[in-house]
Amino acid sequence: QKEVEQDPGPLSVPEGAIVSLNCTYSNSAFQYFMWYRQYSRKGPELLMYTYSSGNKEDGRFTAQVDKSSKYISLFIRDSQPSDSATYLCAMSVSSGNTPLVFGKGTRLSVIA
Amino acid sequence: GAVVSQHPSRVICKSGTSVKIECRSLDFQATTMFWYRQFPKQSLMLMATSNEGSKATYEQGVEKDKFLINHASLTLSTLTVTSAHPEDSSFYICSVPGSGKNQPQHFGDGTRLSIL
Repeated sequence: QKEVEQDPGPLSVPEGAIVSLNCTYSNSAFQYFMWYRQYSRKGPELLMYTYSSGNKEDGRFTAQVDKSSKYISLFIRDSQPSDSATYLCAMSVSSGNTPLVFGKGTRLSVIA
Repeated sequence: GAVVSQHPSRVICKSGTSVKIECRSLDFQATTMFWYRQFPKQSLMLMATSNEGSKATYEQGVEKDKFLINHASLTLSTLTVTSAHPEDSSFYICSVPGSGKNQPQHFGDGTRLSIL
């Protein structure tokens, strides 16, 4: 079993839809959880960063962490064609000088 | 603005060539930087941890003699792919830890390496 599982998609939704992206993980020591957005041929861009369990909202994006289920989610409200990208979940045991473990990424297409 | 600068963004070269990739931390000094590799439709996989002033730490299965890492200053780490072969073609990305406590990593824009 891989440390982080993420459905690669592709996921295609109409503009304005609510998008739900998810990852599961096996290492209960993970404490920090991130969502990155990656456009084609570009490096990952940080979207959301959360510590431990709970919800975090930033504009149209909401990140949820359920450590008891080892499950994290990213919701995108009112999706736009510009949201079309690959979304990567990532996690680490501690912050700072600790490498990240990534999911495979989910390719999202928002159709106008 | 950009926190991490990675150069070059694209390299196409013949088999047997050595290629150097630079990763610069623009906003702060970084004693540690990370190098990842991403194959098409795959996740980012950690290759090595670059440590300023000391040897890099390589992940299992990554040849240290093939992927030379030099972290000579607090703002620059370089990855040299020596005698590159077609199977080394990939997207190489560096990252820099955040400057404060509980800060996430920031990534460079990556280097797409194609070996003919």
